[in-house]
Amino acid sequence: NAGVMQNPRHLVRRRGQEARLRCSPMKGHSHVYWYRQLPEEGLKFMVYLQKENIIDESGMPKERFSAEFPKEGPSILRIQQVVRGDSAAYFCASSLSDSHTGELFFGEGSRLTVL
Amino acid sequence: AQSVTQPDIHITVSEGASLELRCNYSYGATPYLFWYVQSPGQGLQLLLKYFSGDTLVQGIKGFEAEFKRSQSSFNLRKPSVHWSDAAEYFCAVFNQAGTALIFGKGTTLSVSS
Repeated sequence: NAGVMQNPRHLVRRRGQEARLRCSPMKGHSHVYWYRQLPEEGLKFMVYLQKENIIDESGMPKERFSAEFPKEGPSILRIQQVVRGDSAAYFCASSLSDSHTGELFFGEGSRLTVL
Repeated sequence: AQSVTQPDIHITVSEGASLELRCNYSYGATPYLFWYVQSPGQGLQLLLKYFSGDTLVQGIKGFEAEFKRSQSSFNLRKPSVHWSDAAEYFCAVFNQAGTALIFGKGTTLSVSS
């Protein structure tokens, strides 16, 4: 499958636990974006990364959330000490180019439920 | 700051009827505009995009959109809707830094038989 791969597709955590969401971009893509989707809220931009660099994290909450995209391996969105308000679908997208004419290809999302 | 407004939260259209989904944007310069579709439980798929040139853009699945600078609009149209078009549709614009797509809240399309 040459598409953007996200795992896990579904994740259940209790309040205070950590959640790690992984995203493998399309082959050859070195630009990764993370979005959060709440019901009837659309997609909210969180962070844009290139290999080993965070380019724009203006949408990331100031605490508990972090993202990385190492030289080798998938991009990781990490949420520490989860709270019920973190329950949402988290989507990853990748692109080939850093130009804003480039198309973003989306994964199928990871759905986090916090009990 | 850039923003996208989709005025209609939910639209129902009869199968075979025409469709128009509205999108208005706020952007200082020439916008880079997109329409995506999302089926339940799935990711987003690009329908079409506008960067420059012809203001009427053709996309996949028989969709088209028209860029109107004077109205700050980029409405999505389809002449004849099929039941399989039922989904959520998102309009988006790239921010000026080119680092993020800014999405509208989406319009849910239902198709009645």
